[in-house]
Amino acid sequence: DTGVSQDPRHKITKRGQNVTFRCDPISEHNRLYWYRQTLGQGPEFLTYFQNEAQLEKSRLLSDRFSAERPKGSFSTLEIQRTEQGDSAMYLCASSHRGWLAETGELFFGEGSRLTVL
Amino acid sequence: KNEVEQSPQNLTAQEGEFITINCSYSVGISALHWLQQHPGGGIVSLFMLSSGKKKHGRLIATINIQEKHSSLHITASHPRDSAVYICAQGGSQGNLIFGKGTKLSVKP
Repeated sequence: DTGVSQDPRHKITKRGQNVTFRCDPISEHNRLYWYRQTLGQGPEFLTYFQNEAQLEKSRLLSDRFSAERPKGSFSTLEIQRTEQGDSAMYLCASSHRGWLAETGELFFGEGSRLTVL
Repeated sequence: KNEVEQSPQNLTAQEGEFITINCSYSVGISALHWLQQHPGGGIVSLFMLSSGKKKHGRLIATINIQEKHSSLHITASHPRDSAVYICAQGGSQGNLIFGKGTKLSVKP
């Protein structure tokens, strides 16, 4: 297992277009998180999944954003009708939540950088 | 409102110096995470702790639950330690709330 992988690493798109990012977590991890990070800021939580169930969504996740994890393995984050303010690094992380632990150690992907022109 | 505050925002040190980065949070947590982010974006988890102290190599993390405060220490700092160090609090719902990070630059 090579860790968490994200694709594409960099996406340049025009305003109004739709983009989709994919995250492949570490295979035995049941939790998957999406974060957004803008320059000079710490990551901001977007949403997370426990297996295939989306358990929480941030208010940052507007109607134009949707995330899925259909089989409890890889996840996709889609942004519709992109705006320049969507330009950011989109980070995926995975962890294993044990029976008692709230959040296990996080393993991050390298991120997908979105530039909206 | 959950808030995570880090200090300092920027830190420049000479190689060999002892470094301390501080993190304060506003509400009770299940765990406090320290992360390292290098230029280019990759984030690596350094520590996850809910009490006391943890040590890994030259890195030491401590947490005081009563004071809602954690510190990350680097002993005998080295230029390769230059990175952004981020603390994040883990809530009971599983998501993390991140600080803005401390940018560390260690000069040879």
